[in-house]
Amino acid sequence: DTAVSQTPKYLVTQMGNDKSIKCEQNLGHDTMYWYKQDSKKFLKIMFSYNNKELIINETVPNRFSPKSPDKAHLNLHINSLELGDSAVYFCASSQAAQGSGQYFGPGTRLTVT
Amino acid sequence: AQSVTQLGSHVSVSEGALVLLRCNYSSSVPPYLFWYVQYPNQGLQLLLKYTTGATLVKGINGFEAEFKKSETSFHLTKPSAHMSDAAEYFCAVIRQPGRRALTFGSGTRLQVQP
Repeated sequence: DTAVSQTPKYLVTQMGNDKSIKCEQNLGHDTMYWYKQDSKKFLKIMFSYNNKELIINETVPNRFSPKSPDKAHLNLHINSLELGDSAVYFCASSQAAQGSGQYFGPGTRLTVT
Repeated sequence: AQSVTQLGSHVSVSEGALVLLRCNYSSSVPPYLFWYVQYPNQGLQLLLKYTTGATLVKGINGFEAEFKKSETSFHLTKPSAHMSDAAEYFCAVIRQPGRRALTFGSGTRLQVQP
């Protein structure tokens, strides 16, 4: 059973479109995250949710809107896609304890043309 | 606030040689430190972590890291490299107390030569 899953794995779309990426975890964790990995492999936190409540929102354009219907799911919706949004997006989850390791999904490679 | 610096964007070793990947953190409070590995076109896998207690931390796949407060370092080592260790390695820190999100270093690509 996959611990953290994301769909789709690949997403190719045109500028201006709206797209969503879904994430699910079956680990029973109560905190979930979205990270962005750019073309130079640099990873940066975008959002964090704890029990469906947004706790971190790092200077991300408001075209990006996370939604957590329950604590096992954290979806990412992106409006009006731009070329600079091309990246790999990783979902992760962890227990609430601060020192808990995070478990990452396989990533979604978004290409905006 | 914490940050991490990984020295060396590329490290190349021979199979069977010692692996040493360097990570230094900036610290104002005791940190939580992590090493992750990313194989090509895959997600990140937790190798090991330091929170409190023993400063020598053992992880998966024969890796270990030592937390050295005096040097603000958390270097990753493995006594004998295997071809399957070739991957990108990331050091990460929890940036400030109460914050759970990770702040990552820039990564080190490990190549293992036969």
